[in-house]
Amino acid sequence: DIVMTQTPLSSPVTLGQPASISCRSSQSLVHSDGNTYLSWLQQRPGQPPRFLIYKISNRFSGVPDRFSGSGAGTDFTLKISRVEGEDVGVYYCMQATQLPFTFGPGTKVEIK
Amino acid sequence: EVQLVESGGGLVLPGESLRLSCSASGFTFTSSWMSWVRQAPGKGLEWVASIKQDGSEKNYVDSVKGRFTISRDNAKNSVYLQMNSLRAEDTAVYYCAKDQRCSYWGQGTRVTVSS
Repeated sequence: DIVMTQTPLSSPVTLGQPASISCRSSQSLVHSDGNTYLSWLQQRPGQPPRFLIYKISNRFSGVPDRFSGSGAGTDFTLKISRVEGEDVGVYYCMQATQLPFTFGPGTKVEIK
Repeated sequence: EVQLVESGGGLVLPGESLRLSCSASGFTFTSSWMSWVRQAPGKGLEWVASIKQDGSEKNYVDSVKGRFTISRDNAKNSVYLQMNSLRAEDTAVYYCAKDQRCSYWGQGTRVTVSS
């Protein structure tokens, strides 16, 4: 199974300041079809997860442009350019390249 | 608007069975893989199973193989998760999600396995 790791596991940030989360996979996430199925999801307190970014860097419908994704192969990053109060929650990376699909442990973003 | 509504959760004894349902609307159900993902109390997300548009392909995480069965009824825009031989470690909120990348999620249904 592909193991997903995230750093940091907790990220206290100041409102208006940037935040960055790293995700690393134990194997390359490049699929045989050439795509890299690495996604980012946000889970606000008491809510179901919300899909943010797919295939490394594509923002999903309705996702603010302060969220961006980058990376390749086994190393990926989610960046929030200016953290707002509604961004508080846990962020997960997920790989859907190889079965079984797996998630990172989550990174908790909270306001300082 | 995409909507996914799960139902069927509850409290059961170890070894018992439960069937979860997910009713979908707001998109072309027959064009989408569907998935189940679970989240144990205070823990992260775990992909459980996915089913292809016509039901011809089903995939499972190893920990549920042989105990859980995913199915769908395209006439009813619904996907199901039959869970047999339940264990305490199956206790979680179970989410229905659209497609393999899990682009939309329901609110979840809680399953508790305890004696």
